[in-house]
Amino acid sequence: QSVLTQPPSASGTPGQRVTISCSGSSSNIGSNYVYWYQQLPGTAPKLLIYRNNQRPSGVPDRFSGSKSGTSASLAISGLRSEDEADYYCAAWDDSLSGLYVFGTGTKVTVL
Amino acid sequence: QVQLQESGPGLVKPSETLSLTCTVSGGSISSYYWSWIRQPPGKGLEWIGYIYYSGSTNYNPSLKSRVTISVDTSKNQFSLKLSSVTAADTAVYYCARGVTGTAPYYYYYYMDVWGKGTTVTVSS
Repeated sequence: QSVLTQPPSASGTPGQRVTISCSGSSSNIGSNYVYWYQQLPGTAPKLLIYRNNQRPSGVPDRFSGSKSGTSASLAISGLRSEDEADYYCAAWDDSLSGLYVFGTGTKVTVL
Repeated sequence: QVQLQESGPGLVKPSETLSLTCTVSGGSISSYYWSWIRQPPGKGLEWIGYIYYSGSTNYNPSLKSRVTISVDTSKNQFSLKLSSVTAADTAVYYCARGVTGTAPYYYYYYMDVWGKGTTVTVSS
């Protein structure tokens, strides 16, 4: 089902910078905004980044998003233990009558 | 502060219809797009669809033949019905508030407030 591809895992030590990639196509990332959601263990997803690089109120500026062509990335700088979670990219897809697609998800581990 | 709460049976038999309700508190259901998302055990997120408070809907094509989302503005609730369920429909079901618009270049849609989720198991 997932049309947005992410690496299954990423890791870093506290204080490091971790980057997660999200690869899509011209019908989704290439022609729409990208969003990122953080899912802490056992909880509901939380909006982390909207419209490529905007942070909702309360999200630390350690989290940043970017987009180029049909790919996007999420960067976490100054990695902290509480950042250990699953991260999902998402975008609207213009194929068929339109649908919202999520990435395959990336598990971030703080070593 | 808007809060969402899912409710409904945690166990549904194969071939029957899954029915869930999401109650919106702390704000009006008018405006915004109200969405359903699911997550099978140990797997990723899947968007099911949304409804605008006026009643217009958009469903994931892969589920469209089995899904109905409705809204009851008088109760500040919206609901999900998924028919002919199988074990593959076993998942945590989330309701969420959707924000949409067009600016400055593209249409945008994202979920900014989520419920805690409810687990639905399909089993006889």
